Amino acid sequence: EVQLVASGGGLVQPGGSLRLSCVGSGFTFDNYAMSWVRQAPGKGLEWVSAISGRGGSRYYADSMKGRFTISRDNSKSTLYLQMNSLRAEDTALYYCARDTVGITDFAFDIWGQGTMVTVSS
Amino acid sequence: DIQMTQSPSTLSASVGDRVTITCRASQSISTWLAWYQQKPGKAPQLLIYKASSLEGGVPSTFSGSGSGTEFTLTISSLQPDDFATYYCQQYSSYPYTFGQGTKLEIK
Repeated sequence: EVQLVASGGGLVQPGGSLRLSCVGSGFTFDNYAMSWVRQAPGKGLEWVSAISGRGGSRYYADSMKGRFTISRDNSKSTLYLQMNSLRAEDTALYYCARDTVGITDFAFDIWGQGTMVTVSS
Repeated sequence: DIQMTQSPSTLSASVGDRVTITCRASQSISTWLAWYQQKPGKAPQLLIYKASSLEGGVPSTFSGSGSGTEFTLTISSLQPDDFATYYCQQYSSYPYTFGQGTKLEIK
């Protein structure tokens, strides 16, 4: 079964750091770009960051540049999001998603279950 | 950045109705447009990619159309399972962007 399982969320104080992980299975992980998408409580979807299959290209939403770093370890089929200088407005459910651009161009066809990040003192 | 504007924000309809949701891009994205369905407490699910291609397993009551800057998602006959929130997304260029969502409610 093709699936993504996200983890690493939790409660963190403003200014703190957190690293999210997303493990892929059932597909050739390094063939695919991967993205993080977040959803604040009761709000819509917001794309956060993306990384190419081999990790050579990385992209960020403007509000995350300089604070968030996306990376991947293809030997472990794992995607990461290092989040620093966290703010209350970063509180959200963070999803990882398989990005099929350049392969089938099906957009985000597989999503993880999400991991909740709460930034609060 | 490409802005995506969805309308309406909320739509009330009945089982069996035909409904249409519109998504407009602030610049041309060709057909690099996807539609997702999200139910409470669940991850989004891909419905339509490349503006009009139906993802496998998605009922044929769903259809998408458009190119350039104007796109629509149509549900030809609403079923009880279709009441959810729908999002469009452009994947023409980074940063990818989503519409603000359309909540489809039971009338």
